Amino acid sequence: GQQVMQIPQYQHVQEGEDFTTYCNSSTTLSNIQWYKQRPGGHPVFLIQLVKSGEVKKQKRLTFQFGEAKKNSSLHITATQTTDVGTYFCAGYTGFQKLVFGTGTRLLVSP
Amino acid sequence: DGGITQSPKYLFRKEGQNVTLSCEQNLNHDAMYWYRQDPGQGLRLIYYSQIVNDFQKGDIAEGYSVSREKKESFPLTVTSAQKNPTAFYLCASSTGGAADTQYFGPGTRLTVL
Repeated sequence: GQQVMQIPQYQHVQEGEDFTTYCNSSTTLSNIQWYKQRPGGHPVFLIQLVKSGEVKKQKRLTFQFGEAKKNSSLHITATQTTDVGTYFCAGYTGFQKLVFGTGTRLLVSP
Repeated sequence: DGGITQSPKYLFRKEGQNVTLSCEQNLNHDAMYWYRQDPGQGLRLIYYSQIVNDFQKGDIAEGYSVSREKKESFPLTVTSAQKNPTAFYLCASSTGGAADTQYFGPGTRLTVL
């Protein structure tokens, strides 16, 4: 079946350092979404990318969708303790199901 | 307030018992979903429903059952046939289109004793 993998599984950074998580799909995606789940909480939608090569920014967060629409990345500049959580990518393949990535857990030390 | 509610937040059950998790939404969304999340892992789709009185199996449907008698409600029953039911269960809803954002409820943490 279709798989969406994320690397790294876990990253621990010092506050102020940058962070990047990568998302790779075994099949082409019609679009990709990113979610954040705080510890003990539920996933919350961050952003959606649709076009090949698309780049979107939300303050310190930069999201990219690959040219082949099989990979994506989330980059956080100058992390803050409020960035702590697990970041999931999720993609649609055209079968009305969102396939979630394995997630990257981010820990930020002050 | 619009949103998705799940109850209870924590649930304990003995082995061999069936248990039903509640999910209600007042967002007027057509589609609803159930996911299972295990510690340190991603979300796996159990069942989904795109319209009332219809639902489809997800990737890990064995040992679970659902119903969708009302647009607002999508309860999940964890049966005794589910071999490893201890997990965090998340319900979500969306308007139903292919490019939809999914809105998640707060989750139910089920522990089998």
